[in-house]
Amino acid sequence: AQRVTQPEKLLSVFKGAPVELKCNYSYSGSPELFWYVQYSRQRLQLLLRHISRESIKGFTADLNKGETSFHLKKPFAQEEDSAMYYCALTSGGSNYKLTFGKGTLLTVNP
Amino acid sequence: DAGITQSPRYKITETGRQVTLMCHQTWSHSYMFWYRQDLGHGLRLIYYSAAADITDKGEVPDGYVVSRSKTENFPLTLESATRSQTSVYFCASSATGTNIQYFGAGTRLSVL
Repeated sequence: AQRVTQPEKLLSVFKGAPVELKCNYSYSGSPELFWYVQYSRQRLQLLLRHISRESIKGFTADLNKGETSFHLKKPFAQEEDSAMYYCALTSGGSNYKLTFGKGTLLTVNP
Repeated sequence: DAGITQSPRYKITETGRQVTLMCHQTWSHSYMFWYRQDLGHGLRLIYYSAAADITDKGEVPDGYVVSRSKTENFPLTLESATRSQTSVYFCASSATGTNIQYFGAGTRLSVL
C-alpha cells in the first residue's frame, strides 16, 4: 500500500529564514510526487510536481528515491508562504488517485 | 471562472437526514474525486469516477453514495448523516493523461 508521511503538523519560522517541509513516502514502484498548498480561505492548488523539476514561488522539491523523500524547500521564507502544505503521491500511469499526507501548517512570522 | 464549483459552501444538518453535496466542472475532465478533510487526517478519498457511469470506492466510502450520470456533475450523498461525517468536503477533477487534480472551494458540513 502506498503511504505519505509528513512528520511535522506545525512548522513556524521567521521571515527570511530557510524552510523545509518534510515528506516521506512508501511505494514499491515509481511514484509521481506532488506538493499542494492551501492558503487561508482559498482552495487547494498544485504547487509543485516532481517531474516538472521547476521552482514555483521560490520553492523547490527534489525526489530522493534512495531515501523515499520529497522535501519542499525555500531558502528565504515570506509571510505570504503561510499556509497548509500537503504532499501527495500517485502510482503513475493511468492511476489518477492521489494519496495525501496529513499536511503541515507553515507559519511565517514577521 | 472557477471551472469547478461546489454547492452549498456551508451546510448544517441533523443526524439521520439525507444530504447531497454538488460538484460541477466545466472542463469536461474525465476524472472526478471526492475527499474529506479532517484535522489530523489530511485529505482522504471517499469516491472517485473515471468517466460518466463509472465510479469506485476510495479509502473511506462507508455512509456515502455517488453517481455520475453526466461528465460534468459528480454529486455526493450522505444517505443518513452521522456526527462523524462533520467535515470539509472537497471535490476535484483531473483530465485524462495528467495526474494533476483541480479542486473546488469545498463544502463545510456540520451534522448536529
